[in-house]
Amino acid sequence: DAKTTQPTSMDCAEGRAANLPCNHSTISGNEYVYWYRQIHSQGPQYIIHGLKNNETNEMASLIITEDRKSSTLILPHATLRDTAVYYCIVRVAAGNQGGKLIFGQGTELSVKP
Amino acid sequence: GAVVSQHPSWVICKSGTSVKIECRSLDFQATTMFWYRQFPKQSLMLMATSNEGSKATYEQGVEKDKFLINHASLTLSTLTVTSAHPEDSSFYICSARDNGGEAFFGQGTRLTVV
Repeated sequence: DAKTTQPTSMDCAEGRAANLPCNHSTISGNEYVYWYRQIHSQGPQYIIHGLKNNETNEMASLIITEDRKSSTLILPHATLRDTAVYYCIVRVAAGNQGGKLIFGQGTELSVKP
Repeated sequence: GAVVSQHPSWVICKSGTSVKIECRSLDFQATTMFWYRQFPKQSLMLMATSNEGSKATYEQGVEKDKFLINHASLTLSTLTVTSAHPEDSSFYICSARDNGGEAFFGQGTRLTVV
């Protein structure tokens, strides 16, 4: 699976949008971009994933550039409970042969009052 | 989303003893489960991939005789840390993949070896 590059840490004011970038310049055509987050001392939580189109769900939006070499996770109105480490992962398509999830270092997001 | 449960949530054991951690998919069948280990301030490190009814595939550098994995049913995988030592103290996390290929994570098990 392709490697990803994320900033080590970011701060965000409560109520503002948090924009978390991810570079995945070596992504292959059949690889999806996945985002997970891990709140301290818990297991990772799935947030969102996409292939090439922008995606939105109740938690976040995912913006993928046209060349697919980078993406941005957007938390539209960050709350203190969104403080966590956010992981951007690329993997082969979901399905019975979907690839294993290899975690990078992630971005530690601190939402401040 | 689907629920994956780990047991126990935390465990303290004496050096030299073995500890078993269970990972259960509660509302779906998981043909594949993954085991991760996470040290403080570090990311998750994949230890092994477990397929139901077959031997686990271990990542490079992970001792298969020390970390015994059993995946005897579609809803249960176990990780046994044998002859545990203080350096095995870590946060162990399992993940189960459903038929759609999506992975769901357990809440983790904090192992402390004294």
